[in-house]
Amino acid sequence: DAGVIQSPRHEVTEMGQEVTLRCKPISGHDYLFWYRQTMMRGLELLIYFNNNVPIDDSGMPEDRFSAKMPNASFSTLKIQPSEPRDSAVYFCASSSGTPPGNEQFFGPGTRLTVL
Amino acid sequence: GENVEQHPSTLSVQEGDSAVIKCTYSDSASNYFPWYKQELGKRPQLIIDIRSNVGEKKDQRIAVTLNKTAKHFSLHITETQPEDSAVYFCAASKNDMRFGAGTRLTVKP
Repeated sequence: DAGVIQSPRHEVTEMGQEVTLRCKPISGHDYLFWYRQTMMRGLELLIYFNNNVPIDDSGMPEDRFSAKMPNASFSTLKIQPSEPRDSAVYFCASSSGTPPGNEQFFGPGTRLTVL
Repeated sequence: GENVEQHPSTLSVQEGDSAVIKCTYSDSASNYFPWYKQELGKRPQLIIDIRSNVGEKKDQRIAVTLNKTAKHFSLHITETQPEDSAVYFCAASKNDMRFGAGTRLTVKP
């Protein structure tokens, strides 16, 4: 298995533009998590899905952020409009089975820079 | 919700010495406590985990202890090596997972 796949790996955009981050979880994993990592705030859980259904989106910072999981092998995190403070590394992770007690496998991350 | 605090934020040790990182959590219902290692520019990767029905777990030079009563858990690395240098994150999980702020460990050769 190729592991969790994220695209793009780097994204540079201008303030006000729409940004879409993509994630393909490990095949067979039924949980998918989106995290944001910054120096100031560390690793923050934004939202997670179970069997394609959003379970907890309380970490989504504001209405500019939205996430979808149309099927078991694909999820998107969208920021519209983007702002400089959204600059961060965004990680997607997946796991199998009922938490707790199951390792989350992280993707390589998308480094987002909003100018 | 769950709140995880991690200390210290930075730790520098001499090669061969031991390193200890401590975390506390707030939600007594949390019952899974993983530790992740993140090297510069890389993704976090699990190095060891412990469940609430276990007090201690060891894997070669790495050990984790859990005190459910006090709601704290610790990572112990013995005989540290320069390649142990990284940022280490603790986490506590019930349904989702909340991470500590991280500890930057530097092992000096």
